[in-house]
Amino acid sequence: AQKITQTQPGMFVQEKEAVTLDCTYDTSDPSYGLFWYKQPSSGEMIFLIYQGSYDQQNATEGRYSLNFQKARKSANLVISASQLGDSAMYFCAMREGTGNEKLTFGTGTRLTIIP
Amino acid sequence: GAVVSQHPSWVICKSGTSVKIECRSLDFQATTMFWYRQFPKQSLMLMATSNEGSKATYEQGVEKDKFLINHASLTLSTLTVTSAHPEDSSFYICSASTSQDPQETQYFGPGTRLLVL
Repeated sequence: AQKITQTQPGMFVQEKEAVTLDCTYDTSDPSYGLFWYKQPSSGEMIFLIYQGSYDQQNATEGRYSLNFQKARKSANLVISASQLGDSAMYFCAMREGTGNEKLTFGTGTRLTIIP
Repeated sequence: GAVVSQHPSWVICKSGTSVKIECRSLDFQATTMFWYRQFPKQSLMLMATSNEGSKATYEQGVEKDKFLINHASLTLSTLTVTSAHPEDSSFYICSASTSQDPQETQYFGPGTRLLVL
């Protein structure tokens, strides 16, 4: 079974609108971390936001917020007021356990912002 | 903060030659570094995990004699693709994390595009 599932291969969103990128995960470990990364066409992986499994509140970082629904095992990324520069691939990733464990990545969602 | 550099960004080489890629954490000490490979329009595939001063742990299916990893210091890890062949052409990207970060976030370098002719 896939540990990280991103069901949207591509999305087109009008500039200035909000967008939600879906991510569901599968783990039996009670301690885990969820990450979102942005990969522009240049290839670099840019860290956006983190949510820990024990965090009581949804993470927020500027225009990025994470809709964490633990019971549903989902960690959707919400980008508010989208900008043209938001066009990129977005990857959801999970780290199980603690102690510099490896990340498992989803297949990614390509987001295109339309002017 | 949390800047990771990678060098070179591009490399083109002839089949049979070896290529070394450097990954440096510029403003923090990286207790762990990771090496990934990414094929076009695919996700990242972890190749190996390395801790400073110890041997790298390779993922299943990754040839350790083909992809030599050295993590000699808390700021530098190198990946050497030995006797490169066209099928080794790919995008290689490293990441680094520190045990002092409670989130243990991996910060990525800009990547290296390798083309083997």
